[in-house]
Amino acid sequence: AQSVTQPDARVTVSEGASLQLRCKYSYSATPYLFWYVQYPRQGLQMLLKYYSGDPVVQGVNGFEAEFSKSDSSFHLRKASVHWSDSAVYFCAVISASSGSWQLIFGSGTQLTVMP
Amino acid sequence: EAAVTQSPRSKVAVTGGKVTLSCHQTNNHDYMYWYRQDTGHGLRLIHYSYVADSTEKGDIPDGYKASRPSQENFSLILELASLSQTAVYFCASNYWRAETLYFGSGTRLTVL
Repeated sequence: AQSVTQPDARVTVSEGASLQLRCKYSYSATPYLFWYVQYPRQGLQMLLKYYSGDPVVQGVNGFEAEFSKSDSSFHLRKASVHWSDSAVYFCAVISASSGSWQLIFGSGTQLTVMP
Repeated sequence: EAAVTQSPRSKVAVTGGKVTLSCHQTNNHDYMYWYRQDTGHGLRLIHYSYVADSTEKGDIPDGYKASRPSQENFSLILELASLSQTAVYFCASNYWRAETLYFGSGTRLTVL
């Protein structure tokens, strides 16, 4: 079965530090991959998506992610975090079989940026 | 900017009571979804719809019904609310299933 694993439930970094949030997927074909962010008391917003092509995709607010087929990963990165980046980050994959599409979310990573 | 509006923002219900959560989108999107979010978990799909007057079951449909009376509106109905249905519910929409989802701000439901 298709799945997405975010191994780190919580990550704490200092403001200005670099960031990597990990995501591993399980999917037999080339997946459609997303990162979504959820700020407190809000719905999810898409940060970036990967369908094909350049494995490094740029998103909003300085975020980027790199697709690795060999590693089955789609890690999210940011060079320098800001306190306002504190939120829950979800990795998600589109699974398609027999004409049925399904978006599968990971369990999320709570990011806390310390001033 | 795509807009998905949910009502109410929060609700307290009694066990065995009926609860209706509403969602309205102004995006002209075909697909609408209801997700459930539990603390420490990702989102799980309850029901979805790709056309008015038709709904489809998601991963966890038991105990929930859905209604899509028009392209803009999608409701989630709990006929007999139970304690286990305490969660945050999100509505979302998109043009087709592999595209970006646009989410509402959620409804926090507490069943006592």
